[in-house]
Amino acid sequence: SQQGEEDPQALSIQEGENATMNCSYKTSINNLQWYRQNSGRGLVHLILIRSNEREKHSGRLRVTLDTSKKSSSLLITASRAADTASYFCATEQLGSNYKLTFGKGTLLTVNP
Amino acid sequence: DTGVSQDPRHKITKRGQNVTFRCDPISEHNRLYWYRQTLGQGPEFLTYFQNEAQLEKSRLLSDRFSAERPKGSFSTLEIQRTEQGDSAMYLCASSLFLVGELFFGEGSRLTVL
Repeated sequence: SQQGEEDPQALSIQEGENATMNCSYKTSINNLQWYRQNSGRGLVHLILIRSNEREKHSGRLRVTLDTSKKSSSLLITASRAADTASYFCATEQLGSNYKLTFGKGTLLTVNP
Repeated sequence: DTGVSQDPRHKITKRGQNVTFRCDPISEHNRLYWYRQTLGQGPEFLTYFQNEAQLEKSRLLSDRFSAERPKGSFSTLEIQRTEQGDSAMYLCASSLFLVGELFFGEGSRLTVL
């Protein structure tokens, strides 16, 4: 079963624009992570935010977490064509013993 | 350190045959995970190990699936009597216990004809 649900399922923007993806989950978590996957490849970890954190930055990435709403957002600023990929949120639920549950992902297309 | 490696990268088999996938994790990682991913979906948890101990196996996983991690190093995932519904990408990931980030391999794509 999948804990996280990303929104939108697909997003198409122009290079230079910002991209925002959202993730909602159902049960309490230890942390939430975002991963990126290029077509036909493995997943690459982007950022981890703990349940007691509200915002985190890494380069052009900004992640927010609202535990009261059980939701997170990933913002990619000044997007590039190379950012074209699928983005997944993954949650480590309380009591899961460090097991991650992934959502269905958002397919981001950045047009040059 | 070359990261997580998986073998084979692609496997085409006929229905009813057995297949085995191998995963070599990052050497110092004690956690090893197997996920399955179908087109347009996120990775679905199958099973995971801490060292050689299998901690959990998904209830969705049929008895035809078995995984091992002898000596806490590499792991194998075997699927017996494959069915067309087993066609998917099988992803392996490893991590250090108490550190949340997973490192994924490139996956093994299975096609069952």
